[in-house]
Amino acid sequence: AQSVTQLGSHVSVSEGALVLLRCNYSSSVPPYLFWYVQYPNQGLQLLLKYTSAATLVKGINGFEAEFKKSETSFHLTKPSAHMSDAAEYFCAVSVGGTSYGKLTFGQGTILTVHP
Amino acid sequence: GAGVSQSPSNKVTEKGKDVELRCDPISGHTALYWYRQRLGQGLEFLIYFQGNSAPDKSGLPSDRFSAERTGESVSTLTIQRTQQEDSAVYLCASSSGQNTGELFFGEGSRLTVL
Repeated sequence: AQSVTQLGSHVSVSEGALVLLRCNYSSSVPPYLFWYVQYPNQGLQLLLKYTSAATLVKGINGFEAEFKKSETSFHLTKPSAHMSDAAEYFCAVSVGGTSYGKLTFGQGTILTVHP
Repeated sequence: GAGVSQSPSNKVTEKGKDVELRCDPISGHTALYWYRQRLGQGLEFLIYFQGNSAPDKSGLPSDRFSAERTGESVSTLTIQRTQQEDSAVYLCASSSGQNTGELFFGEGSRLTVL
């Protein structure tokens, strides 16, 4: 069984500041890890994914995440926040293989960016 | 269309009524998923279709929930005898079926049961 915990349901940063959204996972097998973003009135969109290759994963819009097995974490970061980054972010895990799309999601983190 | 299309976008129904939610996946995508998002909660997996294989129904919360898919096209999620706890946004996603993990989501159908 898998589970995902996102620390902080709301995160607020100033424009230009570092963005850090925290995600910890639990999985009985090597995980596949994902970050999805949901902009207002839009469907979820894949930001980046870890599938057992490089532990530092780069995604769209300047976001990146690092898989740390020892900490069971997959935190999402961006060096400098833009107003357009305001959205809800979801961390998710799957076991891969034929069940790769059967995702277990965290509860989401709403990111607010202040001018 | 270019993306996953869901209808209706909003549905208000009375407790005890049946509802049908429709999903039109991206053309050529063999895999189709239904998820549910209740207020303040993360997405919950409901059911998964892959080509002509038997669907994975392990996430359906009760026998009031069912889904069908015709070939590799449209899917319908049916909720019978709706209850207030069924109120949620129902999200459909499709993927190419390759082991990339990228799901393309629709905008969802918001169901409100009075």
